[in-house]
Amino acid sequence: QVQLVQSGSELKKPGASVKVSCKASGYTFTSYAMNWVRQAPGQGLEWMGWINTNTGNPTYAQGFTGRFVFSLDTSVSTAYLQISSLKAEDTAVYYCAREGFGELRSPWGQGTLVTVSS
Amino acid sequence: EIVMTQSPATLSVSPGERATLSCRASQSVSSNLAWYQQKPGQAPRLLIYGASTRATGIPARFSGSGSGTEFTLTISSLQSEDFAVYYCQQYNNWPPVGFTFGPGTKVDIK
Repeated sequence: QVQLVQSGSELKKPGASVKVSCKASGYTFTSYAMNWVRQAPGQGLEWMGWINTNTGNPTYAQGFTGRFVFSLDTSVSTAYLQISSLKAEDTAVYYCAREGFGELRSPWGQGTLVTVSS
Repeated sequence: EIVMTQSPATLSVSPGERATLSCRASQSVSSNLAWYQQKPGQAPRLLIYGASTRATGIPARFSGSGSGTEFTLTISSLQSEDFAVYYCQQYNNWPPVGFTFGPGTKVDIK
């Protein structure tokens, strides 16, 4: 069965960096784009962008350029989200999700809580 | 950027009753609209895509309708496990350059 398993929670200080992983199994990794979605505490869902798992080409949503980087390691069917120069407002749960033709298919990753606090 | 709005923000419904949730887009998204359910502490789950197609394993009590700018998610007879937050998402541009989610509708027990 399809699974997306994300790395565990992170506690970081402002200015630090974090790298979240999303390991896929149960399907051909390069057959589906991978999207990233952010959810701040008590808030709604915010689309961050996607990465083409064939070419590695990323596309970032407005507000997620500069400090956010999507990458892949296709040899281990894993997508990554790296955030640099962390700020308190980056505190959120980050989800990876496999995309069909726009819809984000189930199951999503379980989410990774990134907490930024001094 | 296409802006999505949802109404109401909160919907209080008794088990067994019908729930009707609305989603509106700031410009036409054709039928490129999905609905998700999220329960506390869980990742979202895809319910509907293409405005009206149920995703695999989704019960028939969930139905979607609409096109253009106005969409509706109907839950015909609410079960206890349906109390959750529901989000709509437009994906009119594909490959994606700007997907957007609505702010969500919380369905709680009356």
